[in-house]
Amino acid sequence: DAGITQSPRHKVTETGTPVTLRCHQTENHRYMYWYRQDPGHGLRLIHYSYGVKDTDKGEVSDGYSVSRSKTEDFLLTLESATSSQTSVYFCAISDRVGAEETQYFGPGTRLLVL
Amino acid sequence: SQQGEEDPQALSIQEGENATMNCSYKTSINNLQWYRQNSGRGLVHLILIRSNEREKHSGRLRVTLDTSKKSSSLLITASRAADTASYFCATGNSGNTPLVFGKGTRLSVIA
Repeated sequence: DAGITQSPRHKVTETGTPVTLRCHQTENHRYMYWYRQDPGHGLRLIHYSYGVKDTDKGEVSDGYSVSRSKTEDFLLTLESATSSQTSVYFCAISDRVGAEETQYFGPGTRLLVL
Repeated sequence: SQQGEEDPQALSIQEGENATMNCSYKTSINNLQWYRQNSGRGLVHLILIRSNEREKHSGRLRVTLDTSKKSSSLLITASRAADTASYFCATGNSGNTPLVFGKGTRLSVIA
């Protein structure tokens, strides 16, 4: 987990409220990712970023938005949280994408939407 | 959609035994990687094998890749209780697309 922090680590919120999760890295890596992990589904990509202000959708992007205004920070926002977004969210970073890519993961954020 | 599919979903062995996990994938790849996840933690990269390699070793880990069968296996020899974790395969392509992770195998090593 060195070099990657996620905040908050745990959050309980109510349906319909906005939620923002933060990923912060000190490695100066170009690529950053947001995943969600659910039982039976493994790890699914929500959004990723390949540079400041450059983002793209992943497999399960509906209901989520992201922003990256600085190299070190990647924010994930649930505009109006739903119970189906209860999950563990992981941020990851890498210095390349595709061939020879290795990802480094943060410690995760447990989100419960009531 | 997920590219890799690990098998078995769960595996329970005695300490000292070998553990073998398999990963099958659907499309051509540039490389295949294995990651470990301890309970409540993020994934940690273990090993990467390129598409032109057939076998790779790292300590007690042995990974094989058969591109004709689109499958890989991870062997952990002389397992320890500390090896208890979930193991994920991930496939990498040569283009600008991110890694695609499988659903994982839960390994329990009983002391």
